[in-house]
Amino acid sequence: SYVLTQPPSVSVAPGKTATITCGGNNSGRKSVRWYQQKPGQAPVLVIYYDSDRPSGIPERFSGSNSGNTATLTISRVEAGDEADYYCQVWDSTSDHGFVFGTGTTVTVL
Amino acid sequence: QVQLQESGPRLVKPSETLSLTCTVSGDSVSSSVYWNWIRQPPGRGLEWIGYIFYSGSTNYNPSLKSRVTISADTSKNQFSLILTSVTPADTAVYFCARTYGDFPYWYFDLWGRGTLVTVSS
Repeated sequence: SYVLTQPPSVSVAPGKTATITCGGNNSGRKSVRWYQQKPGQAPVLVIYYDSDRPSGIPERFSGSNSGNTATLTISRVEAGDEADYYCQVWDSTSDHGFVFGTGTTVTVL
Repeated sequence: QVQLQESGPRLVKPSETLSLTCTVSGDSVSSSVYWNWIRQPPGRGLEWIGYIFYSGSTNYNPSLKSRVTISADTSKNQFSLILTSVTPADTAVYFCARTYGDFPYWYFDLWGRGTLVTVSS
């Protein structure tokens, strides 16, 4: 089955930039989505189609995808960005299903 | 405003069957979108369980396929999850979610709040 690997944790000071990676075999050929999940809440879509933002998501959130790595970048980090972040793709191999990354906890120092 | 709400027993005994329902308001389960179940064990990551399309077609996570059934009741505007032969490893928060967008670029744009189901004797 397809695997998406993320760093378990990322720490960042307020106002700085957080970078979260999502590694998967040829992930650059897949459309990557990113979700933010705060404790006790359902996930919220922050990026789709690799780099598009849903309405209401700040421009500080951006995404890219190339080769075997997709990246979520959070600029000018705020305390409210502290959360778990998950990447996700649709696996078009024989399994045919949605796959989530392992998840990254972003801590704002 | 579209909303999803999970409901069902919060405690299930090992070897028994877990059954949950997602009630959709503000949209129709008969609309041409996919309706999903996703779960998250305590302190762990997200796992997609499966989906149902308005036509009745379904697709399940291969790791759960032998134990999962997802169905829809259009008269009640609900879709349901059945997971058989549960073990404590099935203890998780279960979310229902809507898939939106064009295949294969679709994404989960709307989620229920989730419900914790504990498998224990």
